[in-house]
Amino acid sequence: GAVVSQHPSRVICKSGTSVKIECRSLDFQATTMFWYRQFPKKSLMLMATSNEGSKATYEQGVEKDKFLINHASLTLSTLTVTSAHPEDSSFYICSARGSAFEAFFGQGTRLTVV
Amino acid sequence: GESVGLHLPTLSVQEGDNSIINCAYSNSASDYFIWYKQESGKGPQFIIDIRSNMDKRQGQRVTVLLNKTVKHLSLQIAATQPGDSAVYFCAENRAGNTPLVFGKGTRLSVIA
Repeated sequence: GAVVSQHPSRVICKSGTSVKIECRSLDFQATTMFWYRQFPKKSLMLMATSNEGSKATYEQGVEKDKFLINHASLTLSTLTVTSAHPEDSSFYICSARGSAFEAFFGQGTRLTVV
Repeated sequence: GESVGLHLPTLSVQEGDNSIINCAYSNSASDYFIWYKQESGKGPQFIIDIRSNMDKRQGQRVTVLLNKTVKHLSLQIAATQPGDSAVYFCAENRAGNTPLVFGKGTRLSVIA
């Protein structure tokens, strides 16, 4: 299947700092990418949808100024958690879809804010 | 509201037995369904998918069945192995290139 690479897999940052997470589609062009957040023993919660070259669409309750999403190319989307706080600690997962229906996921990023 | 859900939150099976994981969906307009496997600390891994114009699709040791009449989806794993232990999610595509809607997940534990 298609490969979606997410980096870093784990990051620990201090409260108040910003963290950038990258999501790359390695062997296909992703017109749309999705960012999810997952709490322990819970399902994936959609945060936002990003389309290449346009502004991201955020789900209700997700602060767009806190979770900055950039989809500058057909193979790269980034999620920046700004002014991180301990409650932002979570597992963040990106997903990419190409021209077909299939959606492939990155390996996830475990963010810990101390 | 409409949702994708799972009948069983946990499932324990003996190694070598067959596993069946079920999923109910309520949006009759959904046209595409995917099963994902998620191991601890990792992102969801695509297992198998099925379009709404089909009722069965087989992969390697896995089979997905779709019953549109009762809006039910199932994942069958043949000869379950310890490596199959994970959380399994069903997901539905409701329209075009929209985000997938995920079910709650079922944890499969394989007993050696």
